[in-house]
Amino acid sequence: SQTIHQWPATLVQPVGSPLSLECTVEGTSNPNLYWYRQAAGRGLQLLFYSVGIGQISSEVPQNLSASRPQDRQFILSSKKLLLSDSGFYLCAWSGGRSGNTIYFGEGSWLTVV
Amino acid sequence: GQQVMQIPQYQHVQEGEDFTTYCNSSTTLSNIQWYKQRPGGHPVFLIQLVKSGEVKKQKRLTFQFGEAKKNSSLHITATQTTDVGTYFCAGPRLHSGNTPLVFGKGTRLSVIA
Repeated sequence: SQTIHQWPATLVQPVGSPLSLECTVEGTSNPNLYWYRQAAGRGLQLLFYSVGIGQISSEVPQNLSASRPQDRQFILSSKKLLLSDSGFYLCAWSGGRSGNTIYFGEGSWLTVV
Repeated sequence: GQQVMQIPQYQHVQEGEDFTTYCNSSTTLSNIQWYKQRPGGHPVFLIQLVKSGEVKKQKRLTFQFGEAKKNSSLHITATQTTDVGTYFCAGPRLHSGNTPLVFGKGTRLSVIA
């Protein structure tokens, strides 16, 4: 069966510090991968998605970036965090027999102070 | 651009009352999916509807896809405290195959015991 792992689960970072969130998917090949952000009590904002290694589509201009160095690995980064970057970050995947159904990781709570 | 709208944004009900959330798309959808996010958790896939007028049931949850495939509803009969959470609908984007999905902003359900 397919599983998705995302880490770290929580982090508190000072303004201006870098960020790296990692996500890996197991049990499937060539998945579509996504990064979403959810502000407190709000909806899901799609940040990036990738249909293959090195292929990244950005949905919202911001100081975040994403990379897909391996087929089942997706990384969200920032060189300098802003207060407004605080939120709940969700990695997700779709593809294979599951079609376009999206399966989310457990999320990473980021607080920028 | 393509939009998926959900109403209401919030709903507070007494335990045992019924609950309905509605989803409307600005475009015809090939399919629609529903997700549930418990407080502090990540969205979890509930169901997918594909056919015009389709109705599916999961215990006390009834999902319906409109005849024109532009709207959908989720009805919960006799709510319980375990139903608390945010319910999202999502549909495929136009002209992008089946990825990524466009999510509604969700309906947050509170159940008062």
